[in-house]
Amino acid sequence: DTVMTQSPLSLSVTPGQPASISCKSSQSLQDSDGKTHLHWYLQKPGQSPQLLIYDVSSRSSGVPDRFSGSGSGTDFTLKISRVEAEDVGIYYCMQGTHLPLSFGGGTKVEIK
Amino acid sequence: EMQLVESGGALVQPGGSLRLSCAASGFTFSNYWMSWVRQAPGKGLEWVSHMDLDGSVTRYADSVKGRFTISRDNAKNTLDLQMSSLRVEDTAVYYCGKDLTWNALNLWGQGTMVTVSS
Repeated sequence: DTVMTQSPLSLSVTPGQPASISCKSSQSLQDSDGKTHLHWYLQKPGQSPQLLIYDVSSRSSGVPDRFSGSGSGTDFTLKISRVEAEDVGIYYCMQGTHLPLSFGGGTKVEIK
Repeated sequence: EMQLVESGGALVQPGGSLRLSCAASGFTFSNYWMSWVRQAPGKGLEWVSHMDLDGSVTRYADSVKGRFTISRDNAKNTLDLQMSSLRVEDTAVYYCGKDLTWNALNLWGQGTMVTVSS
């Protein structure tokens, strides 16, 4: 099974400052078609998860451009260029390449 | 507006059965793979199962294989999860999700709570 490891576990950020979350997989997430199915979700307090980024770097519809994703193989990063108060919640990476599908343990982002 | 609404969650005894349902609206349901994901109280997300467009492909997490069955009715725009031999560790909020591409779920329901306890 593919193990997804996120760091840090939590992050406290001043509004307007950048933030970065790392996600590492136990095996390469590149598929036979050359695509890499690494996705990022945000679960705001009391809400269902929402898709932010799919296939490493593609922003989901309506997601602000302050969110960006990068990486390849086994190492991936979600960056928020300028954190806003509405960005608080738990961020999860998820791999969609290998069965069983798997999520990282989550990174909690709080505002200072 | 695209929407998913789960129902069927309840308190059930260990060893019991339960059927969850997810009603889809606002999009062409039959054009999308669909998934179930669960979240135990205070824990992270766990993929449970997914199904292709017409139900010919179904896959399950090892933790539920042989006990849970996913199904869909494209005429009624519904996705179901039949759960049997329920265990305490199946206690969770169960979400259904619409697959944008390769298991990137771009639409989630509000979730339905399943509690397995004696």
